[in-house]
Amino acid sequence: AQSVTQLGSHVSVSEGALVLLRCNYSSSVPPYLFWYVQYPNQGLQLLLKYTSAATLVKGINGFEAEFKKSETSFHLTKPSAHMSDAAEYFCAVSGYNQGGKLIFGQGTELSVKP
Amino acid sequence: EAGVTQFPSHSVIEKGQTVTLRCDPISGHDNLYWYRRVMGKEIKFLLHFVKESKQDESGMPNNRFLAERTGGTYSTLKVQPAELEDSGVYFCASSQEQGGYEQYFGPGTRLTVT
Repeated sequence: AQSVTQLGSHVSVSEGALVLLRCNYSSSVPPYLFWYVQYPNQGLQLLLKYTSAATLVKGINGFEAEFKKSETSFHLTKPSAHMSDAAEYFCAVSGYNQGGKLIFGQGTELSVKP
Repeated sequence: EAGVTQFPSHSVIEKGQTVTLRCDPISGHDNLYWYRRVMGKEIKFLLHFVKESKQDESGMPNNRFLAERTGGTYSTLKVQPAELEDSGVYFCASSQEQGGYEQYFGPGTRLTVT
């Protein structure tokens, strides 16, 4: 069965610092990979996705992620954190011929200090 | 274009009572998914509709949960009778296609069973 592991349930960075949120997946076949963000009192919003095209994926709000098959990782980065980036971030995987259902990681709460 | 809407936003019921959650997907989206997040845990898949048919209900916890999708439009998720462990946030999502396509999430319904 597929699984997703997000390292660190809480990450705190200073404004302007690098954001790095880690995600590892278990799959024998490269799946579809997603990062979603949830701001308070809102639904999940897609940040970016990997679907077997370019391994470096750029998303909204300056975020990007790199698919590394050898490491089964899909870490999310942003060069410079803004206060508005404070939210909960979810990594998710969807397998081929699985109907699109998403398997989520545990989520990482990002705090940004002024 | 209206997004995915869910009703109610919050529901507090007593153990043994019945609750019905509603989801209105984006118009034209054949695929509708239900997910649940129990406090402190990851978001978990419950089931997937394609139009009015259940394609995958492997995540439904037990037979106290009943999901329907009338005419391939809105969907309801009924819990009867509710138990304490059913508390959590129930998310609905819709998408045009399966696989690596974006799922658009509603804001969720927070269910509290006392």
